[in-house]
Amino acid sequence: DQQVKQNSPSLSVQEGRISILNCDYTNSMFDYFLWYKKYPAEGPTFLISISSIKDKNEDGRFTVFLNKSAKHLSLHIVPSQPGDSAVYFCAASATNTGTASKLTFGTGTRLQVTL
Amino acid sequence: EAQVTQNPRYLITVTGKKLTVTCSQNMNHEYMSWYRQDPGLGLRQIYYSMNVEVTDKGDVPEGYKVSRKEKRNFPLILESPSPNQTSLYFCASSLLGQISGGWGNEKLFFGSGTQLSVL
Repeated sequence: DQQVKQNSPSLSVQEGRISILNCDYTNSMFDYFLWYKKYPAEGPTFLISISSIKDKNEDGRFTVFLNKSAKHLSLHIVPSQPGDSAVYFCAASATNTGTASKLTFGTGTRLQVTL
Repeated sequence: EAQVTQNPRYLITVTGKKLTVTCSQNMNHEYMSWYRQDPGLGLRQIYYSMNVEVTDKGDVPEGYKVSRKEKRNFPLILESPSPNQTSLYFCASSLLGQISGGWGNEKLFFGSGTQLSVL
């Protein structure tokens, strides 16, 4: 039962354009969402997060949007750079439950930024 | 340098031969966790530990053991490895529970991974 889904396994975007990575979740108890970025031969690193009390969080070129009614979040990267080429994982947590210590990850989307 | 160190980076073994993957962190984190990454399945949690001597099952604990005898170390033990445990394994640690703010402020730091092949 995949509670966090990233339906696009891969995405190719031209340098300078916007990259939009999508994530859907099924567990209505999730109230905190994060994006992690992973380069080959390295562990994932934290990128940006959003609480369910917000619908948008911005950090430089990265913006995460949350649509609670649709149980959908997206990561926008503007402008995309070749160094953004990586696998992006969406993750979610139900912080107000007994499973607050658990992060549930999606399947990942491989982003390739081309010149 | 603050880091999570896993060893070995690569391991090839045979079915049934007990093995241990070590994990150590130097950030005084109380929370540590093990994940496995498989194609099409993403990162799945195996076990986690909120503190010394406190461990809990994640989503896929079958076939694995862990121990947390000291804060910095959290080894993953496969008593009798099987081919379906061939995977990329990540150890992670966090300040979760030690400060306020949740997963955003108490970031999860990952090791570089251990690629395990069980023949």
